[in-house]
Formats: sequence, C-alpha cells, structure tokens
Amino acid sequence: QLQLQESGPGLVKPSETLSLTCIVSGDSISNNSYFWGWIRQPPGKGLEWIGIILYSGITYYNPSLKSRVTISVDTSNNQFSLKLSSVTATDTAVYYCARFRRSYWWFGPWGQGTLVTVSS
Amino acid sequence: QSVLTQPPSVSAAPGQKVTISCSGSSFNIGNNYVSWYQRLPGTAPRLLIYENNKRPSGIPDRFSGSKSGTSATLGITGLQTGDEADYYCGTWDSSLSAGVFGGGTKLTVL
Repeated sequence: QLQLQESGPGLVKPSETLSLTCIVSGDSISNNSYFWGWIRQPPGKGLEWIGIILYSGITYYNPSLKSRVTISVDTSNNQFSLKLSSVTATDTAVYYCARFRRSYWWFGPWGQGTLVTVSS
Repeated sequence: QSVLTQPPSVSAAPGQKVTISCSGSSFNIGNNYVSWYQRLPGTAPRLLIYENNKRPSGIPDRFSGSKSGTSATLGITGLQTGDEADYYCGTWDSSLSAGVFGGGTKLTVL
C-alpha cells in the first residue's frame, strides 16, 4: 500500500528557508506515470498547489511561488523534497505531499501533513 | 482569489442530496480532467472523484462527479453527518502550466 510521510522542522524563522522531505513507501518514485507534489493549507484557508516533480527532475511550480520554490527528487532513497526560501508569516501552513497522476491531473494518496509555523 | 470558483458553503438535511459546483475556464476545466477532494475535520484531504466522474476504491457510490463545458459538479446523495467536511475541486491550468484548486466548499449536514 502506497504511503507518503512528510518530515521537517515545525518552526522556521522569517527570511529563512523552509525545508521538508516526503518519504514514499509502497511504490517506486521512478514510476513514469506519476509526478510527486506538494500542497499547503494556511490556517482557515483553502488548498494551495505548490508544485510537482517527475523522477527525471522535470518540475512545474505555482507561478505565484516559483521564485522561492525548489522541489527535488532523490530516487535512490525514494523521496522528494521541498525548499521554500525567504519565508514570512504568510507561509505558515500545513504542508502535504502527494502522488500526482500524470496527464490526468489528480492527487492521491496524500501524506498526513505537517504544520510549519513561521515565527521568530 | 482562486482560479476555480466554488460556493463557500452548502447545507442540507440528512438523507437529502446536495451538489457543489466548480466553475473555471477553457484553460482549465474546459480542456482537462477534474478531480474532487474531501477534507474531514482534522484529517488530510483524500481523493473523492478523479478524471471527472470516477471513484477510487472505497468511495461509496453516493458520491458522483460530472463535467460540462467549463464547469464541474460534485453530487452527494443520502447525506450523512459524517459527510460534513470541506470539499475542493482541482484540475490543470494550461495557461499557468500548473495545477489549481477551487477555494473549497464547507458542507453542513443539518
């Protein structure tokens, strides 16, 4: 059964870089039918699409975050990562990782999510 | 402001039917598959409907999806109190070369 698990610091200081990793089990991250992605949900707000990556390194990012986001993949360890630079309080959110079906555009399954708070 | 437009809230009584709309454009819904997600309180979102109208295994047939032109609709019949959740539509936007979500709809089962 495919499972995804986010990990990383729960507290990041303003202007620093948020770093999260998603460990994938039950499927190979090199599966050509799927991208691997990040989504976030700020407190009291809706879902926001952050970006996705294919095992080959091809990426697509939300244009509003593109200048600050980097998603990378580590096929040897079956995991992928998110870096978001120059964070502010508005980046406080629950961050989810999920598998993204190529060409059909759906996320599933999702990780349980991890709360990241930006505060000094 | 979301690229896809959903009503902020809907409500209905137990046992009744409700529909949730998701409106977009030719850049997104009009030319791409739509998916729907359910986020129960305190849990991660889960895939409810994919490729416009397909249900993953384990999702009851009380949930259905449809698409027409640049709009999509999620239908839920035989409402239960356990269906109270936030529902989101999602798709790909070809002009942005990125995925997009609707703003979400809060379902209340009265």
